[in-house]
Amino acid sequence: NAGVTQTPKFRVLKTGQSMTLLCAQDMNHEYMYWYRQDPGMGLRLIHYSVGEGTTAKGEVPDGYNVSRLKKQNFLLGLESAAPSQTSVYFCASTRGNQPQHFGDGTRLSIL
Amino acid sequence: AQSVAQPEDQVNVAEGNPLTVKCTYSVSGNPYLFWYVQYPNRGLQFLLKYITGDNLVKGSYGFEAEFNKSQTSFHLKKPSALVSDSALYFCAVRDEGVTGGGNKLTFGTGTQLKVEL
Repeated sequence: NAGVTQTPKFRVLKTGQSMTLLCAQDMNHEYMYWYRQDPGMGLRLIHYSVGEGTTAKGEVPDGYNVSRLKKQNFLLGLESAAPSQTSVYFCASTRGNQPQHFGDGTRLSIL
Repeated sequence: AQSVAQPEDQVNVAEGNPLTVKCTYSVSGNPYLFWYVQYPNRGLQFLLKYITGDNLVKGSYGFEAEFNKSQTSFHLKKPSALVSDSALYFCAVRDEGVTGGGNKLTFGTGTQLKVEL
């Protein structure tokens, strides 16, 4: 019973490098979300998806891209990493009015 | 627009004493309200929710929350705190009247609960 799985768990990048964070859920949820968590700022929504093949911008989308080619997967990409993107990234999924289920996060440092 | 405020960055309480973590919200329509808990190096875990019905909502681990529409509040409470309750707590809100928006939640900035012996 995996729930929401995020890979990798940790990563260190250099400024300008690119990478993709993967989120996978096995609950057949329609909605998926990417957040970033920074001290004193709570969780801020980066992008979200209401179904396979659809994505939309959240509160802080600049510098990130996403794709939802399969219902169970939601990918977050950083094309050219910047130090301001050092953060902890969380993926979540849900359906209807149910609570969002969260993964355990990816801790990303950009030097 | 929907928003939520957690006015206290940290709450300290002695084990065995009651605890309250405060949350106020703002929405145009009716609110859907949630409390989550986060332990170190983990994701957020769902505690309880208010959608409709009784104003007192009971959730996991002995926690409960009281919905107060007139004060636009949804405070988290527990009658007797445990050291193991020490964690970061987040309140979140969604406006029931917003459609087509992906059921997005707005989170508060979090309250660190510290329960001491």
